[in-house]
Amino acid sequence: LAKTTQPISMDSYEGQEVNITCSHNNIATNDYITWYQQFPSQGPRFIIQGYKTKVTNEVASLFIPADRKSSTLSLPRVSLSDTAVYYCLVGYNDMRFGAGTRLTVKP
Amino acid sequence: DSGVTQTPKHLITATGQRVTLRCSPRSGDLSVYWYQQSLDQGLQFLIQYYNGEERAKGNILERFSAQQFPDLHSELNLSSLELGDSALYFCASSVIAGRVSYNEQFFGPGTRLTVL
Repeated sequence: LAKTTQPISMDSYEGQEVNITCSHNNIATNDYITWYQQFPSQGPRFIIQGYKTKVTNEVASLFIPADRKSSTLSLPRVSLSDTAVYYCLVGYNDMRFGAGTRLTVKP
Repeated sequence: DSGVTQTPKHLITATGQRVTLRCSPRSGDLSVYWYQQSLDQGLQFLIQYYNGEERAKGNILERFSAQQFPDLHSELNLSSLELGDSALYFCASSVIAGRVSYNEQFFGPGTRLTVL
């Protein structure tokens, strides 16, 4: 199972773009990369998932380089409500959450 | 609202006791997952069921067990409770079964268990 490494915390300001990078050097061929968002005392919420290159949806973009050993979640123009913990998960047949990145958006 | 319901919302009990947590998945979802989140351990995958059968197992203790019923709701049974079992227990559901990480999981609001 690929281990993931993310920054423990990040600070940003409203209106800025935030990029959170996750390292997963041991990613396997079948593994997908998934990002979840969690607010205090709530269950995680799916943000985006990808396998390679770039994926974009209405809330975020996910950039995956060719070697797939890392991935970057990009949140455009964050607001105060984006303050949360963001988890990067890598796997195929298991679901292991790491410590996540605590993002704090300031006014 | 994810469409996943969990009961009870809060549960306070004593060491050595047994409790049952209940989860109803989203309509149409066949897979149910259980997670434990405590302050010092983070979010940990416990077990997954698909259409009534155990599909994947994570860090679930032998004192814990789960099952999924024909109507697809699931129960997580925790026995011989210890202080360290105090945590938030989340249930999630998804449509796709086999590849745990290759599908979107919808999480319930959680059950907060306090063991005194």
